[in-house]
This record gives sequence, C-alpha cells and structure tokens, in this order.
Amino acid sequence: KQEVTQIPAALSVPEGENLVLNCSFTDSAIYNLQWFRQDPGKGLTSLLLIQSSQREQTSGRLNASLDKSSGRSTLYIAASQPGDSATYLCAVCFGGGTSYGKLTFGQGTILTVHP
Amino acid sequence: DTAVSQTPKYLVTQMGNDKSIKCEQNLGHDTMYWYKQDSKKFLKIMFSYNNKELIINETVPNRFSPKSPDKAHLNLHINSLELGDSAVYFCASSQDWGGTDTQYFGPGTRLTVL
Repeated sequence: KQEVTQIPAALSVPEGENLVLNCSFTDSAIYNLQWFRQDPGKGLTSLLLIQSSQREQTSGRLNASLDKSSGRSTLYIAASQPGDSATYLCAVCFGGGTSYGKLTFGQGTILTVHP
Repeated sequence: DTAVSQTPKYLVTQMGNDKSIKCEQNLGHDTMYWYKQDSKKFLKIMFSYNNKELIINETVPNRFSPKSPDKAHLNLHINSLELGDSAVYFCASSQDWGGTDTQYFGPGTRLTVL
C-alpha cells in the first residue's frame, strides 16, 4: 500500500531556530514530491516541488531534499519566524497506472514558532 | 486574482439533502481535482478530471457526482447527505495530469451535515 508518513506530528520552537520536518513514503517509484503549507481555515499553498530526478529544491529559507531509495524527504526551514506557524503537508505522486497524477498526503506537521 | 476559487466557503445542511459545491480555475490548466479533508485533517483525493474527462475516481460513494462543464470548472454534487460527509472539500488544478506539475488548491468548502 502506498502511504506517506510525517514526523513529528507537532513541533514548537522559539523564533530563530533552524528546524527539520520529516516525510517518509512506502514506495520509491514516485513521479514527484510536494511540500505544502496550510494555514488554519485556509487552503493549501505549494512550497516546493521535487521531481523524481532531483535531489533537492530551495526557495528562500526553505530547502527540501529527496532520497527515493530510502523513501524519505526533509523540509528544512532556516531562521524560523512566527509567520512560519502553520501545518506543513508532504504529498507524493506515486508511479504506477492507478496512481498516475494523484497526490497521496501525509497527515502533516503542526509547526508553532513562538516569539 | 484568485487562481482557484470555490463556492460556497461554508455549507450547513440537514441529512438527506442534496447539495453542490462549485470550483473554477483561471490558470488555464487542463486538470482539476477534488480532495476531502476529514476531521483528523487527513487529505485524500476523490476525483480528477483532465480536459473534462474523468481520469481518477477513488472509491467514493456514488452519491458523489462530479461534473466538468468545461476545463475551467469542476463541480461536485452530493446526494442524500450523511453525517460522515462532514469535512472540508478542496478543489485543485494542475497544468497536466502527468504527475509532474504543481497542484494549486482552492480555499476549501467546509461542509457540515446536521
């Protein structure tokens, strides 16, 4: 079964800390992996998309890595700010005929950055 | 300009009623999706349409019927609503259905069935 798991479920850090969110997936045959941010009561905002042929992507203070062989991705947030507080979701587009084009989501990591 | 919009934002209704949620994207994308986020915040795909054709239909009760009148719209009609249908429903779109493109999400519709 193709599944995505995120650890930790919740994380609380003081402002300024660097932090890492983890995502693991059960099948290494993937098309891509996306990291999203969801603010309370809002939709999802795409942060980074890593294609299966890539090892990492960077955007500002965010860096996402992908290791297909071990079925893992990490989202690194540098110099965290209170505005980074949100739920971070990892989603994988698995390969295979019935999975083509659909995202399988992890359950998210709730991040709180306190001043 | 809103890229992916949904209406209504909130929907409260009684069990047994029929309701619709509308979705529109102005990104010129070919593929649109419906996702359901349950009370535990778990997001799961329901349907996907590419160029108005159904390409993904996850094991969803047939009380749920998507309809795509054109590439920019994907509506979700739900018959005989049940308590378990209460959730947040998200519409999304991507340029293509090949699995390589970023998906853009709407703000969600919170459905509450009483």
